[in-house]
Amino acid sequence: AQSVSQHNHHVILSEAASLELGCNYSYGGTVNLFWYVQYPGQHLQLLLKYFSGDPLVKGIKGFEAEFIKSKFSFNLRKPSVQWSDTAEYFCALILPTGGGNKLTFGTGTQLKVEL
Amino acid sequence: DTEVTQTPKHLVMGMTNKKSLKCEQHMGHRAMYWYKQKAKKPPELMFVYSYEKLSINESVPSRFSPECPNSSLLNLHLHALQPEDSALYLCASSQGNRGNQPQHFGDGTRLSIL
Repeated sequence: AQSVSQHNHHVILSEAASLELGCNYSYGGTVNLFWYVQYPGQHLQLLLKYFSGDPLVKGIKGFEAEFIKSKFSFNLRKPSVQWSDTAEYFCALILPTGGGNKLTFGTGTQLKVEL
Repeated sequence: DTEVTQTPKHLVMGMTNKKSLKCEQHMGHRAMYWYKQKAKKPPELMFVYSYEKLSINESVPSRFSPECPNSSLLNLHLHALQPEDSALYLCASSQGNRGNQPQHFGDGTRLSIL
């Protein structure tokens, strides 16, 4: 079965620091990859997605992620974080198989940005 | 604001009660989902409806009964729940059942079982 790993469970940064959250998956074929964010008390929001093509994808709120097939990774980055980026971040994947809308989430990374 | 509406936002019920959670979307999406999220954990898929038909049941206990009356509505009927069923229940929808169609989530219903 496919799985998604997020090794950073808690990250604390100061405002304006750069961010990189790790995401690795275990599946040898083509995958559809997502990053979702869950702000305190709010619903899960899609930050960005990768299906094919340019491995560097840009999302909302200044986030980007790079798909590196050889490393089975899809790390999330932001050059300069803001206090409002404090949230839980989930990496997720869907396999492009029949009935392929089963979204599997990683364990999540809790990001706290301090002023 | 999310375009997937869930009601109620909070629900407290006893173990012998029967209640229902409701989810509605008007984006014309044809796939809808129920997830369960425990505190500080990722969402876990429970059910998937695709074109109003149940396509995935992740071995969920029968005390949870999903229903999709039409393409815009998704219900989750609850009966004889256990305290460990207390969680945030999330509804989501996507355009179709293809893997490259992102899912859009509601705010969830926070369920507490006494």
